Amino acid sequence: QKEVEQNSGPLSVPEGAIASLNCTYSDRGSQSFFWYRQYSGKSPELIMFIYSNGDKEDGRFTAQLNKASQYVSLLIRDSQPSDSATYLCAVIGDYGQNFVFGPGTRLSVLP
Amino acid sequence: DTEVTQTPKHLVMGMTNKKSLKCEQHMGHRAMYWYKQKAKKPPELMFVYSYEKLSINESVPSRFSPECPNSSLLNLHLHALQPEDSALYLCASSQERWGTSVADTQYFGPGTRLTVL
Repeated sequence: QKEVEQNSGPLSVPEGAIASLNCTYSDRGSQSFFWYRQYSGKSPELIMFIYSNGDKEDGRFTAQLNKASQYVSLLIRDSQPSDSATYLCAVIGDYGQNFVFGPGTRLSVLP
Repeated sequence: DTEVTQTPKHLVMGMTNKKSLKCEQHMGHRAMYWYKQKAKKPPELMFVYSYEKLSINESVPSRFSPECPNSSLLNLHLHALQPEDSALYLCASSQERWGTSVADTQYFGPGTRLTVL
């Protein structure tokens, strides 16, 4: 059974701080990793994906992947109250496999 | 453009009603998905269509019936639902299901909030 785990939160950070969201996965064959943001009552919105070990940056967001340790993280720099949402980690394996979602981490950025 | 549209936005139905949810994308994606999401839970996969053929049915009750009339459209027909089926129903699409980041990236529609009375 493939599993993806995330801290459920809520994770509270002050405005302007760095928010760090973590995700671990059980299937060592997992290939690609996705971060989605979901506001309450809305649908998931893609933030970024990563498939190579190391860091990938996009604006205030940095995804970090360590396949040996089976974890992927998302850093949000200069956190804003508008970043307050649930962040979903999704993992996919090989051809034809489906997303496995983590339970999500609720982030609250305090003004 | 990474837009997936869904109609209706909200739906209230009785347990004896028949209704349909509609999803549309014009990105040329060949894989489309239906998810069900309950409050404070991640999306739960229901069905996957790949090249207009049903490839995954995650043991969904027969009161949910998917249909893919063409490569841009996906419907979910609802009949004799139960109150516990009330949820946010999400449609998503991806280029392919190849197991690569770019092709498998799923884009979600805004969802249909379903309430079963």
